[in-house]
Amino acid sequence: NAGVTQTPKFQVLKTGQSMTLQCAQDMNHEYMSWYRQDPGMGLRLIHYSVGAGITDQGEVPNGYNVSRSTTEDFPLRLLSAAPSQTSVYFCASSVGTGGGYTFGSGTRLTVV
Amino acid sequence: AQRVTQPEKLLSVFKGAPVELKCNYSYSGSPELFWYVQYSRQRLQLLLRHISRESIKGFTADLNKGETSFHLKKPFAQEEDSAMYYCALRSGGGADGLTFGKGTHLIIQP
Repeated sequence: NAGVTQTPKFQVLKTGQSMTLQCAQDMNHEYMSWYRQDPGMGLRLIHYSVGAGITDQGEVPNGYNVSRSTTEDFPLRLLSAAPSQTSVYFCASSVGTGGGYTFGSGTRLTVV
Repeated sequence: AQRVTQPEKLLSVFKGAPVELKCNYSYSGSPELFWYVQYSRQRLQLLLRHISRESIKGFTADLNKGETSFHLKKPFAQEEDSAMYYCALRSGGGADGLTFGKGTHLIIQP
């Protein structure tokens, strides 16, 4: 049981490049979400999903897209990377009300 | 809008001393409250949930709806408790992710 798996662990992008951060969970959780962690800011919600085919925006969605074609996968796409998107990105999943969120190990992204 | 406030960015205590990490929240409905811990450069780990009323690693937290607080406490700090601690809120429906406080860096001095 791997839990929540994020790839890659590290990535360096040039301004304007696009990429996809992968997130997969094997716990059959319906709820999944993406966060970014910045010094002094805590974690902020980017996008979330309550099940396959259903996504919605969180607190800081600009510059990011998501899709949820299966229960297991919830990729995060950076459309045109900017230095302001340099951050650590965490994916998390939850069984729902009453259950806590399980987090992945994070992707450390640097945009130069 | 929901909000979580952790007033202390940094808290330093000596080993064996009591620890209290403060968390206040703002939410109009019935929230779920959590404490997460993050050891150096690792993933966040769930420490406590208010609905389970359990004690993990000696930590406890009680939801006080009157004061809208969910403070984390431990009677005797240990050096391995040094970490970042985040208080988080989930709205009653649970679907729309977590709202986090900015975190408190706890340092336990020997």
